[in-house]
Amino acid sequence: SQKIEQNSEALNIQEGKTATLTCNYTNYSPAYLQWYRQDPGRGPVFLLLIRENEKEKRKERLKVTFDTTLKQSLFHITASQPADSATYLCAAPSGNTPLVFGKGTRLSVIA
Amino acid sequence: DTGVSQNPRHKITKRGQNVTFRCDPISEHNRLYWYRQTLGQGPEFLTYFQNEAQLEKSRLLSDRFSAERPKGSFSTLEIQRTEQGDSAMYLCASSRDTLFGSQSPLHFGNGTRLTVT
Repeated sequence: SQKIEQNSEALNIQEGKTATLTCNYTNYSPAYLQWYRQDPGRGPVFLLLIRENEKEKRKERLKVTFDTTLKQSLFHITASQPADSATYLCAAPSGNTPLVFGKGTRLSVIA
Repeated sequence: DTGVSQNPRHKITKRGQNVTFRCDPISEHNRLYWYRQTLGQGPEFLTYFQNEAQLEKSRLLSDRFSAERPKGSFSTLEIQRTEQGDSAMYLCASSRDTLFGSQSPLHFGNGTRLTVT
């Protein structure tokens, strides 16, 4: 079956370092991926969309890559700050479902 | 853009009771989505609408779950004969139609947390 997987449940990094989160997809090739941020008790907030023909997308300190050979998207936060601590979700279309989400990776940036 | 509004924020109910949640989307968005989220998991897709048409409902968890969007504006999600396993956060989102062939970003509300005792 088609799957979107975020295998790291949690990631702890020091302030100022680059955080790298991974999203893998299996048994299909989505035309695009989206990344969202979710804070406790709140709904997810859209961050970036990357299409399969785009290798990389940037927005301020955020960068997303899409590797169709590895079937993987990487999400980077450079110069991380404690305020970046949150759960980050990747999502992609699958079958008749407009957007299927991964389980998310909980990022903790330690001062 | 006043954001997606969900009511109530919290609902506690006894097993076997029916519950209904309301979602008011961003006014110019024609698509509306319902997701369910349990602790430590990502949002799980339930159903979605384009205007008043329900385009996909096979992912609704059982026939106890139903959703409506009668006039293409607000939507309701009803759970009949609630069970303890229905306890979760129910999220609503809205979006414009597709954006250059891609799913437009979803704008989520802050959810309704359901607790079934």
